Amino acid sequence: SAVISQKPSRDICQRGTSLTIQCQVDSQVTMMFWYRQQPGQSLTLIATANQGSEATYESGFVIDKFPISRPNLTFSTLTVSNMSPEDSSIYLCSGRTSGRANSYEQYFGPGTRLTVT
Amino acid sequence: GDSVTQMEGPVTLSEEAFLTINCTYTATGYPSLFWYVQYPGEGLQLLLKATKADDKGSNKGFEATYRKETTSFHLEKGSVQVSDSAVYFCALHLYGGSQGNLIFGKGTKLSVKP
Repeated sequence: SAVISQKPSRDICQRGTSLTIQCQVDSQVTMMFWYRQQPGQSLTLIATANQGSEATYESGFVIDKFPISRPNLTFSTLTVSNMSPEDSSIYLCSGRTSGRANSYEQYFGPGTRLTVT
Repeated sequence: GDSVTQMEGPVTLSEEAFLTINCTYTATGYPSLFWYVQYPGEGLQLLLKATKADDKGSNKGFEATYRKETTSFHLEKGSVQVSDSAVYFCALHLYGGSQGNLIFGKGTKLSVKP
């Protein structure tokens, strides 16, 4: 298994500012991801964080708004840039362990609860 | 496209009642199936999983069986406790598909009353 920590756990930010969220995994994971969970909603994948290269973004998410870094196998950051109230969400980091074909597990951090005023 | 449909909540039960949360899926291949639980104010925790047809995942008294013929993965527990109050998410992943994408259902909120 993998234990994933995030910081900050929550923040209240003013519109137009940026926030960087850090994610640390206690063991090596093959893949790391960032998700957004809007109030009362399910999870939406923002991007896959690739070690040493640009992240792979899902439709509707762009690097200028959500720059992501992954300098090594156990650490990643997500920045929410030029924030607006619509960015108020929980942001979750996730890591996937390797395994045989069709046999893997994906773990989630506790989330960062962001409120933009 | 691939998708997961869960029964809508909220679901309110009394302690020791039987729980079923329905989950059905649509997938072009042979997915792995998961149930995640999110306790209030926390992130998601993997509750159980099944990787092939007829597999039964189980954990903490919860069970779900991968039914290929009905494309279902219903979550059950024989006797719920107040501490089971949480949001439950059904999810699928297709091996070899989009590298990142666990596809989640919308979640079902369970409240257990003493």
